[in-house]
Amino acid sequence: EVQLLESGGVLVQPGGSLRLSCAASGFTFTNSAMTWVRQAPGKGLEWVSVMCGGGDTTYYTDSVKGRFTISGDNSKNTLYLQMNGLRAEDTAMYYCAKNTGGSCYHPLEYWGQGTLVTVSS
Amino acid sequence: DIVMTQSPDSLAVSLGERATINCKSSQSVLYSSNNKNYLAWYQQKPGQPPKLLVYWASTRESGVPDRFRGSGSGTDFTLTISSLQAEDVAVYYCQQHYSFPLTFGGGTKVEIK
Repeated sequence: EVQLLESGGVLVQPGGSLRLSCAASGFTFTNSAMTWVRQAPGKGLEWVSVMCGGGDTTYYTDSVKGRFTISGDNSKNTLYLQMNGLRAEDTAMYYCAKNTGGSCYHPLEYWGQGTLVTVSS
Repeated sequence: DIVMTQSPDSLAVSLGERATINCKSSQSVLYSSNNKNYLAWYQQKPGQPPKLLVYWASTRESGVPDRFRGSGSGTDFTLTISSLQAEDVAVYYCQQHYSFPLTFGGGTKVEIK
């Protein structure tokens, strides 16, 4: 059974940093494309970043480029999102999701329950 | 960036009646080399993460009831719930996975009339 468990969401001050984790199980993490999607309170879904199967290729939405870094640890089957220079508009529930197959151009077939990041002074 | 526009923002449908949700992309998401539309539909119930319903515009995910049907090609797509059930109350999102940044529609909230 595929399971994705996010952690690391907390209240952080503007300009601060945070690292989110997503512990994966039930599938071969090494060859999988993995995605972060966020949802601000009461708002819609926003795609944030993807790490393509193999981990060599990554993509980001424009608003987080240069501030967020997606990465994975194959030995721990864990996906990360390093978030620097946090802004109030980054406040959201952050979901980790697995793409179907190993392609980052495929849809998101499994989702975690999310971890809440709040950026406020 | 490809802009995804959903309509309506919300709709109320009687139990057993049809619900239709539209999604329009600002450019084609049809990949000519494999003739696939890179368009997915997700369902999100309150307090839950999204769930994949349909991909490649018209392929139902395993376990999704056949009352959910995706259709369309190029830039215009539709999700139809043929006979609305109480458990279908949710927000529905379309997403293009054709080019980065991948983008979602704004969502359509489906309620019972």
